[in-house]
Amino acid sequence: QQQVKQSPQSLIVQKGGISIINCAYENTAFDYFPWYQQFPGKGPALLIAIRPDVSEKKEGRFTISFNKSAKQFSLHIMDSQPGDSATYFCAATSGSRLTFGEGTQLTVNP
Amino acid sequence: GAVVSQHPSWVICKSGTSVKIECRSLDFQATTMFWYRQFPKQSLMLMATSNEGSKATYEQGVEKDKFLINHASLTLSTLTVTSAHPEDSSFYICSARYGSNYNEQFFGPGTRLTVL
Repeated sequence: QQQVKQSPQSLIVQKGGISIINCAYENTAFDYFPWYQQFPGKGPALLIAIRPDVSEKKEGRFTISFNKSAKQFSLHIMDSQPGDSATYFCAATSGSRLTFGEGTQLTVNP
Repeated sequence: GAVVSQHPSWVICKSGTSVKIECRSLDFQATTMFWYRQFPKQSLMLMATSNEGSKATYEQGVEKDKFLINHASLTLSTLTVTSAHPEDSSFYICSARYGSNYNEQFFGPGTRLTVL
């Protein structure tokens, strides 16, 4: 089934803390797992992405952890900042079709 | 690189009128573009896949006669919402596939449509 489940729905973190967002999928045909950041009234922007042959990818403060056997992946935002406050979407692709998770509204308090 | 623009950024129209939204890839050629709809505090839902020079592929439940898609060039796709009604009010976002990474999509800034 073409579904990606994301949690939590909302997350509040203090400045400097670690934000963790989790996603799970069922379709083993998914072969690319991007994360998008979306600010209100704007389109989503690609943050970081990973392929299933890699267990972890880090870019700056953002890290994706990928567990192929469990069909789960997560986004870790280290040293979270108020400017990181946005909605985050995990996604998965099979071919060119992109399926989004439900989204997580992150609030980083100063 | 990989910049996608949309025009207009917002539009208000009366019920029963048609509205055209443009999606352009500014610095690359996009053989495939995608149209999404996003309701407030919800995720993006794929409406259709637009291929240059051919008919769009619509997702189940999306009326192709209501949401007309034209992808006449490698840098432009248009979505026309025909006979718009208040329930069509939404945030419409396009994306384009870029480069050799078959999976990667870059998104436009979105168009807010309000139908009165």
